[in-house]
Amino acid sequence: AQSVTQPDIHITVSEGASLELRCNYSYGATPYLFWYVQSPGQGLQLLLKYFSGDTLVQGIKGFEAEFKRSQSSFNLRKPSVHWSDAAEYFCAVGTSSNTGKLIFGQGTTLQVKP
Amino acid sequence: NAGVTQTPKFQVLKTGQSMTLQCAQDMNHEYMSWYRQDPGMGLRLIHYSVGAGITDQGEVPNGYNVSRSTTEDFPLRLLSAAPSQTSVYFCATFNYGYTFGSGTRLTVV
Repeated sequence: AQSVTQPDIHITVSEGASLELRCNYSYGATPYLFWYVQSPGQGLQLLLKYFSGDTLVQGIKGFEAEFKRSQSSFNLRKPSVHWSDAAEYFCAVGTSSNTGKLIFGQGTTLQVKP
Repeated sequence: NAGVTQTPKFQVLKTGQSMTLQCAQDMNHEYMSWYRQDPGMGLRLIHYSVGAGITDQGEVPNGYNVSRSTTEDFPLRLLSAAPSQTSVYFCATFNYGYTFGSGTRLTVV
């Protein structure tokens, strides 16, 4: 069965600093990988996804993620964090590109210091 | 273009009461899901539907029923609410990525 682990429950970074949120997955075949962001009181918004091809994927709001099969990882990065990036971030893995049976990680809460 | 609309946004129920959480979408997506979100547990799939007339169970289906009579609507029914069902519920459509509603915060006392 698939599983997703986000090792960091809470991360604090200074505004303007770089960011990396970790995501490790467990799945025997080619995974379909997603990162979502949730602002307080809101639903989840898709940041980016990986289905195949280039292992470095670009998303919205200046985020990118890199799929590393050898490490079973799909870490999310941003070169310079803005105060508006403070939110909760979820990594998810699916077994197909066109079904919604995703397994979500527990989430990482990002706090941004001024 | 409303996307995914959930009603109500907040609800308090007494143990044993029943209610229906409404979900409507205007994107003509076939795939719809219901998730619950609890602190420290991410989102867990309750039920999903791959099209009108077709539903199936997810990871945590007990205590919940769904039906899908139209492409647009996918209501979630709690037949006899329990305190363990206190949670935030999200409806979503899937088309190579999820579009989520804004959620229903349910408290069962």
